[in-house]
Amino acid sequence: QKEVEQDPGPLSVPEGAIVSLNCTYSNSAFQYFMWYRQYSRKGPELLMYTYSSGNKEDGRFTAQVDKSSKYISLFIRDSQPSDSATYLCAMSGNQFYFGTGTSLTVIP
Amino acid sequence: GAGVSQSPSNKVTEKGKDVELRCDPISGHTALYWYRQRLGQGLEFLIYFQGNSAPDKSGLPSDRFSAERTGESVSTLTIQRTQQEDSAVYLCASSLVPGGFVGNSPLHFGNGTRLTVT
Repeated sequence: QKEVEQDPGPLSVPEGAIVSLNCTYSNSAFQYFMWYRQYSRKGPELLMYTYSSGNKEDGRFTAQVDKSSKYISLFIRDSQPSDSATYLCAMSGNQFYFGTGTSLTVIP
Repeated sequence: GAGVSQSPSNKVTEKGKDVELRCDPISGHTALYWYRQRLGQGLEFLIYFQGNSAPDKSGLPSDRFSAERTGESVSTLTIQRTQQEDSAVYLCASSLVPGGFVGNSPLHFGNGTRLTVT
């Protein structure tokens, strides 16, 4: 079983839609949970991070962690064409573990 | 300030040749990671340096792969006798602290070196 599972998509939505991206994990020791955004031919950039369970909001982005279910989500409200990218979930205890990424396209 | 810098951005090499990839981390970042990203796949951990401690080499796929780091600065990843399956993007990342977050210290990535072995 992989440490982190993420649906690869691809996901295609119209501009303005609400996007939900999800990951599951197996290691209950993970403490920090992150979402990275990766544009084509660029390195991943940190988008959101949370510590332990709960929600964190930053503008149009909300990160949600449910440790009891070992499930994390990233919600994007009012999606824009500039949100088109691959989104990687990541988590860490004493090391970083990454999902395989979900490719998102927002259609104008 | 400057981010993580990697060079070259692209490298095309013939099978069997050696290649050297370079990473300049953010100044002051003690932790440095190398990852491999194959097309359509996630990040594969290769090696991790933390200060003057012995590196964690547990992710290196074979003895053809090696990496060095000079103090808390530049790192080089060397692939000897390259094979076609080595074709991938090699990403370097650095952080202020190892393994996770303390305060606001995320993992910062460079834009990678795209290696193509023909």
